Parts: sequence; structure tokens; C-alpha cells
Amino acid sequence: GQSLEQPSEVTAVEGAIVQINCTYQTSGFYGLSWYQQHDGGAPTFLSYNALDGLEETGRFSSFLSRSDSYGYLLLQELQMKDSASYFCAVRDTGGFKTIFGAGTRLFVKA
Amino acid sequence: EAGVAQSPRYKIIEKRQSVAFWCNPISGHATLYWYQQILGQGPKLLIQFQNNGVVDDSQLPKDRFSAERLKGVDSTLKIQPAKLEDSAVYLCASSFIWTGMNTEAFFGQGTRLTVV
Repeated sequence: GQSLEQPSEVTAVEGAIVQINCTYQTSGFYGLSWYQQHDGGAPTFLSYNALDGLEETGRFSSFLSRSDSYGYLLLQELQMKDSASYFCAVRDTGGFKTIFGAGTRLFVKA
Repeated sequence: EAGVAQSPRYKIIEKRQSVAFWCNPISGHATLYWYQQILGQGPKLLIQFQNNGVVDDSQLPKDRFSAERLKGVDSTLKIQPAKLEDSAVYLCASSFIWTGMNTEAFFGQGTRLTVV
């Protein structure tokens, strides 16, 4: 079967750095994506890793280790507006199907 | 660039009634997805189309759910008859046919369905 594990909740203070981990177990793997979703809003794409290593996009970075079936999303210089749910998603072999994790709810405190 | 359009935004129906949702993907996007998102959970893929062909519908409850994508553009998702556990947000998303690293899916605002 296919499963993705990520923490259900994370709390951090404004200006801090937070890391959201994701481990996956899938029958095939092509890449790991991260999406952000504010309450009542649509998921929006943040990043995608197909190869091992770190991808940086502004305050957000994403890391992948294919040998460990593990990735993380790193958010730096946290702002109140970063309070949202963050989902990791695995793209299966062939790139046709994307499976989402249950999501991590991030609370940013002043 | 116009985004993924969905309608209606909200729908309240009684159990055993029927309901249909509509989605218009971003122009040029060959892949269209329908996801079900229950409150507090991640999106669950119901069905995925490539143009007007079904790529995956393994998690679609086919006894009550149906979906079609006419002419490879707009899509409708229907539930008949609805059950209380169908209360969720139904998200439509689209993306280019995967080539290389282009994997971003664009989501619509969703339809919030409440079955009472």
C-alpha cells in the first residue's frame, strides 16, 4: 500500500525556523511535493523534489532523501501568515498519480 | 491566466438526494483530478483524467459516484444517492501532461458539500 506520515501539528514563534517532516511508503516513487492550504482555501503548490538534496525557494526549502524515503519542508523567518496546513504528496512511478499525506497544521505565535 | 473554476461553492442536500459538481480546468491542461477532502484530512484522489480518458479511479466509490470529462476539457462529478459521510470539500485540480519536472497541480476553490 501507500502511506505518508507527517506530524499532525507544529507550533512555532514568529521569526523562528520550523521543519515539517514527511516519511513515505509507496509502491513506486517519482517525486515529493509540498502544498500549503489556508483554512477555507485551495491547496497551493510550494515545491517539488525528484532528486536527493535541497531545493530552496525564498523562505521555503524542501529536502529529499530517496534512500531513506524521507523529506522535509523548512520554513524560515516565520510570519503569522504562514499559519496553515502543509501537505506532503508523493508522485508515483510514471508520474500519473499524486497521493497526499494527512497534513501538518502549523500555528505561528507572536 | 485564469485559474481552475468550480461550481457551486457550497451545496447542502439531504441524504439520498443527488448532486453534481462542475469543474473547468486551466486552458491547455490535459490532466484533471477530483479530490475529496474531509475536514482535518488531506485530499484523497477520487479520479484522474488524462484528456478525456480515465487514468485512475481506484478510490472512486463507483456504486454512487460517477465522473466524466467531455471533450477533454470540463468535467462533472456526480453523487447519487448521497450519504452523510460524503460531507466534504470536493476539489478539482489540473496540470500539464507530465513532462520532465513540470508537476505542479493547480487547485480550484472547491465545493463544500454538506449532507444532512
